[in-house]
Amino acid sequence: QVQLVESGGGVVQPGRSLRLSCAASGFTFSSFVMHWVRQAPGKGLEWVALLSYDGTNEYYADSVKGRFTISRDISKNMLYLQMNSLRPEDTAVYHCVRDRPSIQIFDAFDIWGQGTMVTVSS
Amino acid sequence: QSVLTQPPSVSAAPGQKVTISCSGSSSNIGNNYVSWYQQLPGTAPKLLICEDNKRPSGIPDRFSGSKSGTSATLGITGLQTGDEADYYCGTWDSSLSAVFGTGTKVTVL
Repeated sequence: QVQLVESGGGVVQPGRSLRLSCAASGFTFSSFVMHWVRQAPGKGLEWVALLSYDGTNEYYADSVKGRFTISRDISKNMLYLQMNSLRPEDTAVYHCVRDRPSIQIFDAFDIWGQGTMVTVSS
Repeated sequence: QSVLTQPPSVSAAPGQKVTISCSGSSSNIGNNYVSWYQQLPGTAPKLLICEDNKRPSGIPDRFSGSKSGTSATLGITGLQTGDEADYYCGTWDSSLSAVFGTGTKVTVL
């Protein structure tokens, strides 16, 4: 069964850091493009970051560029999001998402985790 | 902010049809596949349509997708109360980012 399970969310003060984790199972993790997508309370979906299937290319939304870093550990089937210099506007549920198999950078978000809540507040 | 524009809400009676538009530009919809997502209350989004008009396994044929130029459309026929949800379009943009639509709430009257 294909599954993505996020962890690491919580309440953090502005300017501090947090690392989110995503445990992948049921598929060959090293063969897929992976993303982080977030949703602020009562708001729409916002794409955050992408890591290519071979781990060599990273892309980020302008709103997090220079502050967030996406990475993975293939040996553990884990995806990470290191979030630094957090701001109140980063408050959201963060979803780990798998991309459909494709030769393109992006095809579609086909498997979603349930998400982990991050609240940035003093 | 979203670069893809959707109507905030659409509604229809059970059994009827609704369509949801998604308007973009040549930097996104015009040159990349569009996908559609359904988000039921309190749950994670679910892929409904990929590659403009393809339904993943398990998605009923009541859901359909189409694209023309820089706009895409999701259609839902035989509307059911279980279809009440938020719907989002998504695609890739030439700015090297994935983008979502503003989202549309479907209400079954």
